[in-house]
Amino acid sequence: DVKVTQSSRYLVKRTGEKVFLECVQDMDHENMFWYRQDPGLGLRLIYFSYDVKMKEKGDIPEGYSVSREKKERFSLILESASTNQTSMYLCASRRDTTYGYTFGSGTRLTVV
Amino acid sequence: GENVEQHPSTLSVQEGDSAVIKCTYSDSASNYFPWYKQELGKRPQLIIDIRSNVGEKKDQRIAVTLNKTAKHFSLHITETQPEDSAVYFCAAYLHNYGQNFVFGPGTRLSVLP
Repeated sequence: DVKVTQSSRYLVKRTGEKVFLECVQDMDHENMFWYRQDPGLGLRLIYFSYDVKMKEKGDIPEGYSVSREKKERFSLILESASTNQTSMYLCASRRDTTYGYTFGSGTRLTVV
Repeated sequence: GENVEQHPSTLSVQEGDSAVIKCTYSDSASNYFPWYKQELGKRPQLIIDIRSNVGEKKDQRIAVTLNKTAKHFSLHITETQPEDSAVYFCAAYLHNYGQNFVFGPGTRLSVLP
C-alpha cells in the first residue's frame, strides 16, 4: 500500500508565524499535491509538483509556497500565517496522470 | 473555468435502500473519473474509478456509470449499510487543468438504521 504521511495531525500556530507542513510518500510517485478542505467548499488545490524542484500554482496559491527538494517530500509553507488559513490541509500523491490520488491523513491547522 | 458539479449535497437513506450520487463535468476531453469516500476525521480514499472507454463498472455493492455524451457520471450504492455513511467526492481528470483532478463539492450520505 502506498503511504502518504503528513508530519502533524493537529497544529496550532499564531498569526504571523511561518508554518511548515510536511508530506512524505514512499512509492516513488512523480506527482504530489497540496489541497485545503473547508466545509461547503470541498477540496481546493493550492500547489502541485510533477517532479523534483518543479512546482505549479493551483487555484488558491496566495499566502502559500512549496518546496520539493526530494522526490518523496513535498512541503507546504505558510509564509505568515493568518486566521483565514485555518483549515484542514491534505497532501496527495499519484504515480502519474493516469492514476488516482492517494491522500495523507491531513493536518488540521488552527491559526490564532 | 472547468468545474465538476455534484448532487445532492446531502442524502439520507434507510439501511438497505440504494443511494445514487450524480456528477457532471465540463471538459469533453476528460477520460478518468474516480470516486472518493471520506469518513469523519479520516483521509479521502479511492473506492472506485472509471475510464472513458467503458460505460459501467461494478465492485460488489458499488457501481459507477458514465455517460460521455451527456458528460455525467454517477455512483450507485446498493443495500446501504451504516458504515457507508460518509462524504463522497467525485472527480474528473481535466487535460485543461494542468492534467489534474477537479473535485466535486461532496455529498454527505447518512444511512439510517
